[in-house]
Amino acid sequence: EVQLVQSGAEVKKPGESLKISCKGSGYSFTSYWIAWVRQMPGKGLEWMGIIYPSDSDTRYSPSFQGQVTISADKSISTAYLQWSSLKASDTAMYYCARYGGNYYHYWGQGTLVTVSS
Amino acid sequence: QSALTQPRSVSGSPGQSVTISCTGTSSDVGGYNYVSWYQHHPGKAPKLLIYDVNKRPSGVPDRFSGSKSGNTASLTISGLQAEDEADYYCCSYAGSYTLVFGGGTKLTVL
Repeated sequence: EVQLVQSGAEVKKPGESLKISCKGSGYSFTSYWIAWVRQMPGKGLEWMGIIYPSDSDTRYSPSFQGQVTISADKSISTAYLQWSSLKASDTAMYYCARYGGNYYHYWGQGTLVTVSS
Repeated sequence: QSALTQPRSVSGSPGQSVTISCTGTSSDVGGYNYVSWYQHHPGKAPKLLIYDVNKRPSGVPDRFSGSKSGNTASLTISGLQAEDEADYYCCSYAGSYTLVFGGGTKLTVL
């Protein structure tokens, strides 16, 4: 069974750093791109970027380029989304999803990130 | 890379049909037959309903159907049921492994 399991909810202060994770299982982790999707409170889904774990080829949405870093460790079948300096506006639910055939069939359960002083 | 345009809300009574539109450009919706649709209940992971414009994954009822004409894709839900009340998002391939989502449509079952 294909599963994407994300790390738990985080509460951080502005300016702090954060790295959240998405662990894949039940399939060949290096054979599929993994995307990150943001949902701010009361808002829609936003595509942030995507990574190919096999060679760490990464693409970013222009809206998120330079704001976050997407990475992966194929040895432990895990993708990451990280911030070096969080802002209040980063408060959102973040989903990872497996990209296959130009759509997302499998999704993580979501990680809620709250940034507040 | 702008979000695809969806109506903010639609509604229908049980048993009726509703259609949700998704308008993009020739660089996304119109340029590829790679439109997908997702159902999202708050607090849960989005669920794939339609891919490649009009294909249904195993387990998705045939009440859900997709189509496309030019730069506009559509999701039709027939035989509305109470559990269909959710947010619906379209998504299109936009080249170089990038995708773009629509702004989302809230479906209310009256």
